[in-house]
Amino acid sequence: AQSVSQHNHHVILSEAASLELGCNYSYGGTVNLFWYVQYPGQHLQLLLKYFSGDPLVKGIKGFEAEFIKSKFSFNLRKPSVQWSDTAEYFCAVNAGAGTYKYIFGTGTRLKVLA
Amino acid sequence: ETGVTQSPTHLIKTRGQQVTLRCSSQSGHNTVSWYQQALGQGPQFIFQYYREEENGRGNFPPRFSGLQFPNYSSELNVNALELDDSALYLCASSLDAGNEQFFGPGTRLTVL
Repeated sequence: AQSVSQHNHHVILSEAASLELGCNYSYGGTVNLFWYVQYPGQHLQLLLKYFSGDPLVKGIKGFEAEFIKSKFSFNLRKPSVQWSDTAEYFCAVNAGAGTYKYIFGTGTRLKVLA
Repeated sequence: ETGVTQSPTHLIKTRGQQVTLRCSSQSGHNTVSWYQQALGQGPQFIFQYYREEENGRGNFPPRFSGLQFPNYSSELNVNALELDDSALYLCASSLDAGNEQFFGPGTRLTVL
């Protein structure tokens, strides 16, 4: 069965620190990959997505993610975090175009200290 | 462009009752998915509707059912509520299955 693992459940960083959140998935075929963010009191919103092409994708607010097919990973990165990045981050996988089912990870709570 | 809206915001029910949650999809979107998000967990896929037909289903019992209307809005119905049904129910719309989904704010259901 498909699954998505986010290994970091809680992360605390100081402002200006670099961020990397891990995401691994189990599915052997073509996948679409997503990172969603949920800021306090707000609903889930898309941070970035990968469908095909350049495995390094850039999203909003300076976030980027790299798809490494051989490692089944799609890690999220940001060179310098800000207090406003405090949020919960979810990695999600969809098994290819036209497939209905999305699998979400359990989320990573990021707290950035000012 | 209007985003995804859900109603009601909060709901309290007792065990054994039935509940209907509603979702209006984003303008132009023909696909709606429903998720259950328990506290401390990621969203769990319930089912998806594409052009008024159920397009796929997750591991939820038949007492979870849904509808999609010609304007692509949708309902989630849960019969015979159980305590474990207490969760945030999220609706997400997209243009066709497999594409980027846009989420609504959710309905918080509490079952007593």
